[in-house]
Amino acid sequence: DAKTTQPPSMDCAEGRAANLPCNHSTISGNEYVYWYRQIHSQGPQYIIHGLKNNETNEMASLIITEDRKSSTLILPHATLRDTAVYYCIVAYNFNKFYFGSGTKLNVKP
Amino acid sequence: GAVVSQHPSRVICKSGTSVKIECRSLDFQATTMFWYRQFPKQSLMLMATSNEGSKATYEQGVEKDKFLINHASLTLSTLTVTSAHPEDSSFYICSARLPGQGAWTEAFFGQGTRLTVV
Repeated sequence: DAKTTQPPSMDCAEGRAANLPCNHSTISGNEYVYWYRQIHSQGPQYIIHGLKNNETNEMASLIITEDRKSSTLILPHATLRDTAVYYCIVAYNFNKFYFGSGTKLNVKP
Repeated sequence: GAVVSQHPSRVICKSGTSVKIECRSLDFQATTMFWYRQFPKQSLMLMATSNEGSKATYEQGVEKDKFLINHASLTLSTLTVTSAHPEDSSFYICSARLPGQGAWTEAFFGQGTRLTVV
């Protein structure tokens, strides 16, 4: 079952940073935090993942709290093409993913 | 990145018929593939885990006799919806993992198959 809680929707102005929160208070020690996004009627796209350290790649940054009970995905300069549903998932080693309801990010001009 | 391809992307079938959906890993060998279903305006729901050369593992509540999964090779898994009914109309998505252990074996998703049963 899904182990994450995310706000159902968020708005962000184009060019601004989008900060998407996720609560995963029951995460276990060997579970990673993964972020995927789904643009309408497409398969999910991998964004980033981490265990306990903050991570950054060309798409986004992932900030994980010290107690690992929550995390934040940061899109540094949101564009209209970043409008999508963003899913935060906790799982072990890219194993079975139980998706929660995700956050619909609306990037507005 | 690695590519996972599904075929067909859309299919319409008559009630009572069976439909086969293919999931291929185009540039890597996938020992494990996953099948998901997504109803409109809902999240993805894991249906089953497909393991090459062995029987699929189904999630609780998923009828294994209705959703037949075959993973006969390292690059192909198929999902057959048998005796389809309108309530089976959904978006079916597969994903595949790169082989190997550790945290860096990414999972890639196919583009999905829209099934409509009339």
